[in-house]
Amino acid sequence: DTEVTQTPKHLVMGMTNKKSLKCEQHMGHRAMYWYKQKAKKPPELMFVYSYEKLSINESVPSRFSPECPNSSLLNLHLHALQPEDSALYLCASSQVGTAEGTGELFFGEGSRLTVL
Amino acid sequence: AQSVTQPDIHITVSEGASLELRCNYSYGATPYLFWYVQSPGQGLQLLLKYFSGDTLVQGIKGFEAEFKRSQSSFNLRKPSVHWSDAAEYFCAVGQYNFNKFYFGSGTKLNVKP
Repeated sequence: DTEVTQTPKHLVMGMTNKKSLKCEQHMGHRAMYWYKQKAKKPPELMFVYSYEKLSINESVPSRFSPECPNSSLLNLHLHALQPEDSALYLCASSQVGTAEGTGELFFGEGSRLTVL
Repeated sequence: AQSVTQPDIHITVSEGASLELRCNYSYGATPYLFWYVQSPGQGLQLLLKYFSGDTLVQGIKGFEAEFKRSQSSFNLRKPSVHWSDAAEYFCAVGQYNFNKFYFGSGTKLNVKP
């Protein structure tokens, strides 16, 4: 069973809608991630939060807005998306990288987004 | 620059046959290496990882991988494939002391009955 929970599992939205994807983990991880995955492609990193602060933004368009309200929750706010943004959005968590190395990523099952 | 290459896009093996999926990485420091598996429409599940120590690592579902620094490789193996192993497999490298992971393009495994 995955220990990273994502909701909703499926989302259909119009280009003028505002919606949010939610992610929750209770493993005590202090690094959380959003990845975007198109069909038959590897996951592409979008954002990384470390200790609830945004540490990496991979030049993601501003129509995607991440938020980390606390150490267990990660949101991705969506506004004015385009049809090409349709994809599987994966949340992941890990230990924060230390001198001893970085822990592995634990993934949720993803939110399948369709933009009409 | 860090990168991960999986040379095989698709592989088909017969059930019960052995399997080897290739992964080559380019990384300037000590790599942290991972293999993940993804079934259609699902998230990624960790099969195994290498941080240091023994270069042959055992994972879940009967998988193992061997780290070969001289060849910059981290190939995944399984002695006898089951039909339920059909999925997409991703190799990944984690950047030392920094939370960034690079994924290979994936290898889709088909299993023939």
